[in-house]
Amino acid sequence: GENVEQHPSTLSVQEGDSAVIKCTYSDSASNYFPWYKQELGKRPQLIIDIRSNVGEKKDQRIAVTLNKTAKHFSLHITETQPEDSAVYFCAASRSNYQLIWGAGTKLIIKP
Amino acid sequence: SAVISQKPSRDICQRGTSLTIQCQVDSQVTMMFWYRQQPGQSLTLIATANQGSEATYESGFVIDKFPISRPNLTFSTLTVSNMSPEDSSIYLCSVEGGRDGTDTQYFGPGTRLTVL
Repeated sequence: GENVEQHPSTLSVQEGDSAVIKCTYSDSASNYFPWYKQELGKRPQLIIDIRSNVGEKKDQRIAVTLNKTAKHFSLHITETQPEDSAVYFCAASRSNYQLIWGAGTKLIIKP
Repeated sequence: SAVISQKPSRDICQRGTSLTIQCQVDSQVTMMFWYRQQPGQSLTLIATANQGSEATYESGFVIDKFPISRPNLTFSTLTVSNMSPEDSSIYLCSVEGGRDGTDTQYFGPGTRLTVL
């Protein structure tokens, strides 16, 4: 069935370094790929998204890349800061506006 | 993005009872979704609620256990029926883009449910 694989499950980086989280999807019909950040005890918040007609999108320190042929997309965070510590979820669209979710990546920023 | 509220924010319930969670949006939206999230886990879709039609449930979730109402374009309820400790979780509603016209999902603050 449809699924989204997300790696790594935990990522620890030094403050100021870059972090990369990768996701692979299975449904060729998926055309929308959002990324959410969830801080402890809070709701998931959209941080960036990309559609299948675009290969890359940037918003300040975060960027997302999409490779439709390989069915994978990645989140890149540069110059990481302590407030970037959170759980990040990738997702891929399916029919009826639904999303298929990755398992999540816990990002730890070491001071 | 839409402003979404949920009630209650948390509750502690006895097994065998039922709890109804409300989700209110500040703009009209076509699609509303109900999720469950266990601590440290990803989001699991329970059902999709369209106004004016029956909710569509995902595999493993049934209407008798999780009845959903969607009386208008700004409101939905999820009831967790005949609760057991295994139903302890965070329940989240989300809506598709709404007034910004996208298929992005925006989440309510969640309801933390503990069943004793």
